Amino acid sequence: EDQVTQSPEALRLQEGESSSLNCSYTVSGLRGLFWYRQDPGKGPEFLFTLYSAGEEKEKERLKATLTKKESFLHITAPKPEDSATYLCAVHGSGTYKYIFGTGTRLKVLA
Amino acid sequence: EPEVTQTPSHQVTQMGQEVILRCVPISNHLYFYWYRQILGQKVEFLVSFYNNEISEKSEIFDDQFSVERPDGSNFTLKIRSTKLEDSAMYFCASSEVLLRQGREKLFFGSGTQLSVL
Repeated sequence: EDQVTQSPEALRLQEGESSSLNCSYTVSGLRGLFWYRQDPGKGPEFLFTLYSAGEEKEKERLKATLTKKESFLHITAPKPEDSATYLCAVHGSGTYKYIFGTGTRLKVLA
Repeated sequence: EPEVTQTPSHQVTQMGQEVILRCVPISNHLYFYWYRQILGQKVEFLVSFYNNEISEKSEIFDDQFSVERPDGSNFTLKIRSTKLEDSAMYFCASSEVLLRQGREKLFFGSGTQLSVL
């Protein structure tokens, strides 16, 4: 069965302190790996889609990378407005669903 | 930017009552989904819908749940007889394409918070 595990569960950073979030996955035939940002009481907001090992995507202070077993979301010089829960999801072959991990709650302190 | 719209934002109901959650997906999207998130837990897949029929459903999506696309714009989730454990945030999502590299994105609405008393 397709599975997604995210770590750490929670992360506190000082403003400007770079770090990485991990998403480990098990899926039969990866069709896509997705990163979302979720603010409290809101729906997930799309960040990136990665399709194959070695692929990288960047957006402002965020960079997502993908290997055959895991993905990392690197946050460079974060700001307080980057505080949110970051969700990872996978789409496996032969399915019409996206499986989400439990997320990493990021808090960036000024 | 186009967005997925959900109504109502909050719904309070008594156990055993029927509820209908409504969604207006992005207009040119073809694939529609319902997910739910119990407070503090992960976003869980309920059902996917394409070409006016269910593509896939989870174990959570039992006979008490149904989905419908009554016209060209709305997508609804009905819970026939609500239970306490149905209390959750329900998200509607839509995507333009499936399995097409470079264009696959799932867009979510802001959710309906369902409270069953």
